[in-house]
Amino acid sequence: NAGVTQTPKFQVLKTGQSMTLQCAQDMNHEYMSWYRQDPGMGLRLIHYSVGAGITDQGEVPNGYNVSRSTTEDFPLRLLSAAPSQTSVYFCASTTSGELFFGEGSRLTVL
Amino acid sequence: GQQLNQSPQSMFIQEGEDVSMNCTSSSIFNTWLWYKQDPGEGPVLLIALYKAGELTSNGRLTAQFGITRKDSFLNISASIPSDVGIYFCAGHSSSQFYFGTGTSLTVIP
Repeated sequence: NAGVTQTPKFQVLKTGQSMTLQCAQDMNHEYMSWYRQDPGMGLRLIHYSVGAGITDQGEVPNGYNVSRSTTEDFPLRLLSAAPSQTSVYFCASTTSGELFFGEGSRLTVL
Repeated sequence: GQQLNQSPQSMFIQEGEDVSMNCTSSSIFNTWLWYKQDPGEGPVLLIALYKAGELTSNGRLTAQFGITRKDSFLNISASIPSDVGIYFCAGHSSSQFYFGTGTSLTVIP
């Protein structure tokens, strides 16, 4: 039972580079979301989607882009990486109020 | 964004002791969730609560949905070394989730 799968698990970027963090879920969940987790700050919502073709901004959306072309996938794009985007990123999904997380993608921007 | 007030921030306890932690909010939630996160891993859902006053157990873990719908409690009984980790709460309403900053639990054998 895969649940929420994130790739890559680790990534190092240089300032200005772009990349995409992948997220896929096999539970047919309508709601998917991306969070970043930083020490002492808890989980902060970046973007979320309530269904295919629908996305919306969360608390900290600047510098990130998302799309939702299918129910299963919700990629997060960093347009031009900055050191402030060094963080651990979590994808999560739900359909019933129980939010399930992936294992995280650890990003370092030099 | 709203963060939930979670306490204590950290706990150091002896193996076998019971543990209590809680979360409070200024807003009403429809669902309260409790997670455990191990280092380098994603949060794992421990308990979900759906009704005010609900008391739910999962093994040695017991959680309650506060009557006011603005708070929740998690208790761990007879702690063991593998209980070490960070526990955090989440509240859900209007398709949004709000999170506590976590309680770091250390269990001393």
